[in-house]
Amino acid sequence: QVLLVQSGAEVKKPGSSVKVACKASGGTFSTYIVNWVRQAPGQGLEWMGRIMPRLGIPTYEQKFQGRVTITADTSTSTAYMELSSLRSEDTAVYYCAREFLEYCSSGSCYFDYWGQGTLVTVSS
Amino acid sequence: DIQLTQSPSSLSASVGDRVTITCQASQDISNYLNWYQQKPGKAPMLLIYDASTLKAGVPSRFSGSGSGTDFTFTISSLQPEDIATYYCQQYDNLLRTFGGGTKVEIK
Repeated sequence: QVLLVQSGAEVKKPGSSVKVACKASGGTFSTYIVNWVRQAPGQGLEWMGRIMPRLGIPTYEQKFQGRVTITADTSTSTAYMELSSLRSEDTAVYYCAREFLEYCSSGSCYFDYWGQGTLVTVSS
Repeated sequence: DIQLTQSPSSLSASVGDRVTITCQASQDISNYLNWYQQKPGKAPMLLIYDASTLKAGVPSRFSGSGSGTDFTFTISSLQPEDIATYYCQQYDNLLRTFGGGTKVEIK
């Protein structure tokens, strides 16, 4: 059974950075594509970017280019999302979500497993 | 970037009603569309992928259809446990996009 466990809630000052971890278990990390999705309070889902741990190559939503860094450590089966220059509008729950590389390579991509979410609060 | 316009943004229906949500893509995305259910305080859960394929274990009252730019999500007989927000999501390229969501409530 695949499980994605995220790091705990964070409170950050405006202008600082936050790094959220997503540790995978129950599957083979190299077969994952790890995506990051955020949800501001009372708002919808917003895709931020993704990484294929096997290759270590990230793809970012243009809105977050230059502020977000997504990495993966295959030795610990953990993906990370770091967001810099935080502002109040970045207050949100951040989720990691898996796409299965084999299915996605065959043309069928979907988020089948999600982390529990990490609340990041940006406040002075 | 591909935009997804989901409607309505909210709806209220009675138990047993048929509920329909639409999702329109800004360009042709073939059948590269998924539907998720999100309950308050929880992570989203996949219901339908590739526009019309029901995920294993998901009740058959949920269904999806469409291709190209126009997609539909249907609950054939609304149940109290279906109270949630529903999102469409596309995967036409390396990028991903969600629709704005539809909040479903019981009348």
